[in-house]
Amino acid sequence: QITLKESGPTLVKPTQTLTLTCTFSGFSLSPGGVGVGWIRQPPGGALEWLALIFWNDDKRYRPSLKSRLTITKDSSKNQVVLTMTNMDPVDTATYYCAHRLDYEYFFGYWGQGTLVTVSS
Amino acid sequence: QSALTQPPSASGSPGQSVTISCTGTSSDVGGYNFVSWYQQHPGKAPKLMIYEVTKRPSGVPDRFSGSKSGNTASLTVSGLQAEDEADYYCSSYAGSNKFEVFGTGTKVTVL
Repeated sequence: QITLKESGPTLVKPTQTLTLTCTFSGFSLSPGGVGVGWIRQPPGGALEWLALIFWNDDKRYRPSLKSRLTITKDSSKNQVVLTMTNMDPVDTATYYCAHRLDYEYFFGYWGQGTLVTVSS
Repeated sequence: QSALTQPPSASGSPGQSVTISCTGTSSDVGGYNFVSWYQQHPGKAPKLMIYEVTKRPSGVPDRFSGSKSGNTASLTVSGLQAEDEADYYCSSYAGSNKFEVFGTGTKVTVL
């Protein structure tokens, strides 16, 4: 059974760096064939694809946010970490992590999401 | 990286059908058969309903079907049920640089 769960701060101040952790079970990022991605959703808004990391450390980023995003993995801990620098109130959103296979272009399993509010 | 365009809302009575469109470009929807659809109930995570334009994951009722013509993909929900009331999002692969884009979302109301 594949499960994912996001964790991190619920409130960050403008200009701070956000660090979110996705802890998963039911699959491994090592050896291959699997990827974990991050997607966010502003309150009342649409889904927005952010970043993706594969078992072989191949990484993809949303072009408009690439300079602010870093995605890493710790296969031994079954975790994927997303950092986003220079947070702004417009980054207030629910952040989801999700699972996919590396030859697929969809997310079959999602975490419950975590709401991050950016406010001073 | 522009979002795919969906109508803000759609509705139908129980038992009827509703079709949601998802319009992109030749660089995303029209260029690849990698369109997927997600259902999201309020306060819940999205759930995969359709992948690779027409395929249904196991457990998804066959009332849900997908199609594509040119740069526009569609999701049809037949035999509407109360539990189908939710937000629906499309998504498409958009090439190795943009990778993936989501749609603007459609709220389906069962009258």
